[in-house]
Amino acid sequence: GEDVEQSLFLSVREGDSSVINCTYTDSSSTYLYWYKQEPGAGLQLLTYIFSNMDMKQDQRLTVLLNKKDKHLSLRIADTQTGDSAIYFCAENTGGFKTIFGAGTRLFVKA
Amino acid sequence: DAGVIQSPRHEVTEMGQEVTLRCKPISGHDYLFWYRQTMMRGLELLIYFNNNVPIDDSGMPEDRFSAKMPNASFSTLKIQPSEPRDSAVYFCASSSDRAGAFFGQGTRLTVV
Repeated sequence: GEDVEQSLFLSVREGDSSVINCTYTDSSSTYLYWYKQEPGAGLQLLTYIFSNMDMKQDQRLTVLLNKKDKHLSLRIADTQTGDSAIYFCAENTGGFKTIFGAGTRLFVKA
Repeated sequence: DAGVIQSPRHEVTEMGQEVTLRCKPISGHDYLFWYRQTMMRGLELLIYFNNNVPIDDSGMPEDRFSAKMPNASFSTLKIQPSEPRDSAVYFCASSSDRAGAFFGQGTRLTVV
């Protein structure tokens, strides 16, 4: 069935890199996404990657996709306290239906 | 554009009452989504529309839930009658393609 899994917590020091990992199950997924949610707010689209790509970089964000292992990661370089939030991995499973993971709560220590 | 606008931001109602949540999508976006977020179940897609037509409502939990999109700039999600287990944050989102959706701030619903 369709499922997206991610670890629940990650703690890093300010200035270090953060790597948030995700696994998905639908091999036919065409788009995969990373969203950020701050307290009391909606989800903010950070980036997406199309399934025929291995990597996508956008300023401090790097997305890596391993289709063979159905593994997606988000790397945040030079993590700042403002990056503290919940990060959701999501996959587009057909049409416009999108399945979200449970979210990884990132703690950034000053 | 002001983004996706939802109202109200918070709603507290008594069990059995009707609740109506409202959403204004981003102008030009022809896809609109309703999601529910709870600690136990995470983020669930309830229903989505394309050009005001419901495409997939398989996530709507039961007949107490209904959603409409009378025009391109407005949608409602109604719960009648409401129950305590409906307490959650309800998000509306819109998009114009599959490169990701834009979410509203959400409506926090508490049914007592």
